[in-house]
Formats: sequence, C-alpha cells, structure tokens
Amino acid sequence: SQQGEEDPQALSIQEGENATMNCSYKTSINNLQWYRQNSGRGLVHLILIRSNEREKHSGRLRVTLDTSKKSSSLLITASRAADTASYFCATDAKEYGNKLVFGAGTILRVKS
Amino acid sequence: DAGVIQSPRHEVTEMGQEVTLRCKPISGHDYLFWYRQTMMRGLELLIYFNNNVPIDDSGMPEDRFSAKMPNASFSTLKIQPSEPRDSAVYFCASTKTTGGYGEQFFGPGTRLTVL
Repeated sequence: SQQGEEDPQALSIQEGENATMNCSYKTSINNLQWYRQNSGRGLVHLILIRSNEREKHSGRLRVTLDTSKKSSSLLITASRAADTASYFCATDAKEYGNKLVFGAGTILRVKS
Repeated sequence: DAGVIQSPRHEVTEMGQEVTLRCKPISGHDYLFWYRQTMMRGLELLIYFNNNVPIDDSGMPEDRFSAKMPNASFSTLKIQPSEPRDSAVYFCASTKTTGGYGEQFFGPGTRLTVL
C-alpha cells in the first residue's frame, strides 16, 4: 500500500476561498514534499518540509507537519482558478530506501 | 535551462512492438528517475540512477522493461514486447540533492497507448 494518502480525494471550492488538503503516512520520514500536477503535465515541486520542522510557508501556501500523528496538511489561501490541479504529497523514509513515495493525490477544482 | 526533456510526448503502438522512451535530465543533476502514472496505481517509481549507474530497479514490473543511462545527459526506458497493460504516462525526473530525496524536477511525460 502507499506510504502517503491524501484526503480528500477531490475538492471543489470557489475562487477566493481557502483549500486544505491532508496527507497521512505510515512510517517515520526524513522529509515530506508537496507537488502540483496540472492536467496533462508533469509534477511541479511546491514545498519541502523536514521532519524536524512543524510549519513552512511559501507565498499563498502553508504546510504543516505533525510527526506524532504522521500527517501533513497543505493550505492554499485565496485560491485562484489557476490553482486547479492535482496535489500530491511525497515522503522519503529510510524504510523505503530513501526513495520518494507519492500518495494518490487530491484533485482540486477552483471555480471562478 | 530547458528543464527535463522527454520524447516522444505521445506514443501509440500495437501489442508486441518495442517501445523506447527517452529522457534528457537537467544539466548537472546526478540523479535520474523513471516513474509510471496510471489511474489505478498512481505514480510508481520504476528505477533510478545515480551518476549513470542504476541504483534501484525494484519497481520495474517485468523483464520486458529495461532502462539505460549511457551518459549523464541521456536515458532510455524500453519495453519489449509491449502489452496493453503498459498503457500509462511515463515520467522522467532528475535532481541534484544527495540521497535523491530533494526536490525532483519532472519532465512533461510520455503518454503511451498500447493497442
């Protein structure tokens, strides 16, 4: 089974609203990353948070990491139609040979 | 930099044919990854290289799949013979970070359809 699992599977919001996506994982990790994938395109790295960090910001993005709960959340504030995409969390862990393991993703639709 | 380059972008072939996918990583990156993405299985790591050497090919599904990296600027993923269940989008990614767990840069992917 996958190391990371996103929740919800799909999310539909209005432009200007905030979008929150969650990721849960199973083993202790070195770091966790979030990627975005627009339809028909490759994945684009958004943000990396290390296991000893609890929160990180990048523009309209805010990522939190709770290693005790083995979970992370990605918050996109003031969403725009251009944020419509799939969002994936990816973890690397010693147990998985330090390879990146991707979750199934959350499909975000921002309606204008 | 042009980013990771993959070719072809789309490939349609018939069952039993040989398929070769190509990738040019970002210059200076010493890790290269091949992924496969399907609706059913999500994004799966097939194989990765470090300094042109295959490090982990445990994700390669069958002997029908093979990958090479003859030099730092070129890699191929070959499927021979191809089967309909190989239909997927294949991504190549590269990175420079030690251990391969830093930010990965993905190519646009090759959409493979095997009829």
